[in-house]
Amino acid sequence: KAGVTQTPRYLIKTRGQQVTLSCSPISGHRSVSWYQQTPGQGLQFLFEYFSETQRNKGNFPGRFSGRQFSNSRSEMNVSTLELGDSALYLCASSSLQGRELFFGEGSRLTVL
Amino acid sequence: TQLLEQSPQFLSIQEGENLTVYCNSSSVFSSLQWYRQEPGEGPVLLVTVVTGGEVKKLKRLTFQFGDARKDSSLHITAAQPGDTGLYLCAGAYNQGGKLIFGQGTELSVKP
Repeated sequence: KAGVTQTPRYLIKTRGQQVTLSCSPISGHRSVSWYQQTPGQGLQFLFEYFSETQRNKGNFPGRFSGRQFSNSRSEMNVSTLELGDSALYLCASSSLQGRELFFGEGSRLTVL
Repeated sequence: TQLLEQSPQFLSIQEGENLTVYCNSSSVFSSLQWYRQEPGEGPVLLVTVVTGGEVKKLKRLTFQFGDARKDSSLHITAAQPGDTGLYLCAGAYNQGGKLIFGQGTELSVKP
């Protein structure tokens, strides 16, 4: 069974630009969550999508947005990038009944 | 606000030693999970504890959930270099993808 796939793995952007990250969940998983990981703040919850609907949202500004498609694939977008947005962005999927999250390898974003 | 306090933040030990990592909160969680993360990879689930007082063993790793479901501990017996990594505890209030993570414990086991 293929795991969670995130693309791209690495990317470099400059301040003010926007970025889109993609996540393909494990087959059959309908919940996709996004987390930001930084050395100072650790893992912080961004949002969760289930059946194309945002089910939970963390405390991030509106520059951070996401969506989920009918095939459960998800994208997150960050607009007007700031230096502080440099982080590892992790996507995780879970099954309908499960609490456990299965994480992808992450997308490493560097903002210059 | 960090709702899950994890300690210690860093731990460097010799192979064969025992260690315990603590995860404490003032909140009650419906479940608590422990993950291990290696450099360049995403966290990998080790265990989920659900019932207050629950103890789970995974080879040399023992996980305990506090009676009040506010705290948890991870004990590793006879640590090995392969145990090196970032250990994360995460609390869930209900089913779903929103977890509250602790800051993590960076464990280094030297041969």
